[in-house]
Amino acid sequence: QSVLTQPPSVSGAPGQRVTISCTGSSSNIGAGYDVNWYQQIPGTAPKFLIYGNSNRPSGVPARFSGSKSGTSASLAITGLQAEDEADYYCQSYDTSSNWVFGGGTKLTVL
Amino acid sequence: EVQLVQSGAEVKKSGESLRISCKNSGYSFTSYWIAWVRQMPGKGLEWMGIISPADSDTRYSPSFQGQVTISVDKSINTAYLQWNSLKASDTAMYYCARRRQTGPYRYYFDYWGQGTPVTVSS
Repeated sequence: QSVLTQPPSVSGAPGQRVTISCTGSSSNIGAGYDVNWYQQIPGTAPKFLIYGNSNRPSGVPARFSGSKSGTSASLAITGLQAEDEADYYCQSYDTSSNWVFGGGTKLTVL
Repeated sequence: EVQLVQSGAEVKKSGESLRISCKNSGYSFTSYWIAWVRQMPGKGLEWMGIISPADSDTRYSPSFQGQVTISVDKSINTAYLQWNSLKASDTAMYYCARRRQTGPYRYYFDYWGQGTPVTVSS
């Protein structure tokens, strides 16, 4: 069981907007630590997508955005495209476990 | 160009030892901590531990403390993950990743190796 909780799966049609939640606790997200997001296309290494809760590195489309509030964070993807089909992981720092990941969310583009 | 290149696939038997590597290039190796992450078949990412190449300061996840050893050889810009006695449950993909720090307790993993698959048969 992961320290950070994500829904196992989400889906959406091309062009739609989807959100993926990441719920933590007072020892990680709620303690003020950053949430980062990673995208993993099956068979490949993870790629970092969002850092510092809401910052996009260069090369990541503006369709991807992150937010954080209290003990939770969210990743939003607008204008869904077929190439967005992947697994998405949130990650934060935890006072007892150091770095922790969410269990991952499989995004299916219908 | 920053690159983390990991060693190739391994097939081992239970009880054997193993060391896999992660060679770093394109940046100052001693300026960034290197983490190891496990991904069991069909499962999510698990942080195992992290090491500072500058002074070999190492932290382990409680789940992996005593089960693996993380080390570096800064003369060849390489980090290692080692097992003394493998178990079938160690079968997984293992990734190394570079940790970037943007402020106090503000970290993320910005570059990842391609992964090393490890298969352990009983």
